[in-house]
Amino acid sequence: NAGVTQTPKFQVLKTGQSMTLQCAQDMNHNSMYWYRQDPGMGLRLIYYSASEGTTDKGEVPNGYNVSRLNKREFSLRLESAAPSQTSVYFCASSETGQVYGYTFGSGTRLTVV
Amino acid sequence: KQEVTQIPAALSVPEGENLVLNCSFTDSAIYNLQWFRQDPGKGLTSLLLIQSSQREQTSGRLNASLDKSSGRSTLYIAASQPGDSATYLCAVNSEEGAQKLVFGQGTRLTINP
Repeated sequence: NAGVTQTPKFQVLKTGQSMTLQCAQDMNHNSMYWYRQDPGMGLRLIYYSASEGTTDKGEVPNGYNVSRLNKREFSLRLESAAPSQTSVYFCASSETGQVYGYTFGSGTRLTVV
Repeated sequence: KQEVTQIPAALSVPEGENLVLNCSFTDSAIYNLQWFRQDPGKGLTSLLLIQSSQREQTSGRLNASLDKSSGRSTLYIAASQPGDSATYLCAVNSEEGAQKLVFGQGTRLTINP
C-alpha cells in the first residue's frame, strides 16, 4: 500500500546513545516532516523538508538532526539521547500547495532510560 | 505565535447522537486547517482539509466548518457510531509552501453502544 513507512516501530535507548529514525514515502511528495507527540500534548514539529535538498527547523529542533537523503527518504537522528526525548515520533509527507492534506506514518515509540 | 486549543479534552456520548467538536486558533491568518483522527497506538489519518477561502468541507457523516475571522472550526459528526471512538485533532497551517502544522491537544471521543 502507498504511504509513509517508519522504522523502527519501538526502540529503547540508554541516555547518551545515538540512533537514526528512518522514514520513506512512495507518493512522490515534495515535503516531509518529523513531529513528536507527548502525553496530553498535540504534535510538535521538529524539522521539515520543503523539497529535496532542503531542511529547516521546526518548533522543537534542539537535540535532533535530519537528512533528506532523496525525494523519498527523510531521516531523524538523535546524537546523544536524553530522557526528555522519550516520545512518539511521527513522520509525514505532503504535496506542495495548500489543497493537499498530510499522510502520516504509524510512528516510532522511543524510550530513553 | 499560533496556538490551537481543543475543548473538551474528552467527550462521551451514546451511539446515534450527533455531536460537535471544537477547535480555536489565535491567529486568523491561516492558509488551511485540517482535522485528523488518531486511534490508540496508531498514526494520524487525515479526515478533512479546509482551505482559508472555504467555509466548510464534507465527507460522509463528517462536516467541518471554518470561521477565520473568529478563529474557530468545528467538526460535526452525524449519527455517531462506536467505530467513531478515537482522538480527533485539528491543526492549522499559517505559512505558504511547506505545511508546517500547529496542532491542538485533541479531543478523545468515546461513543457508547
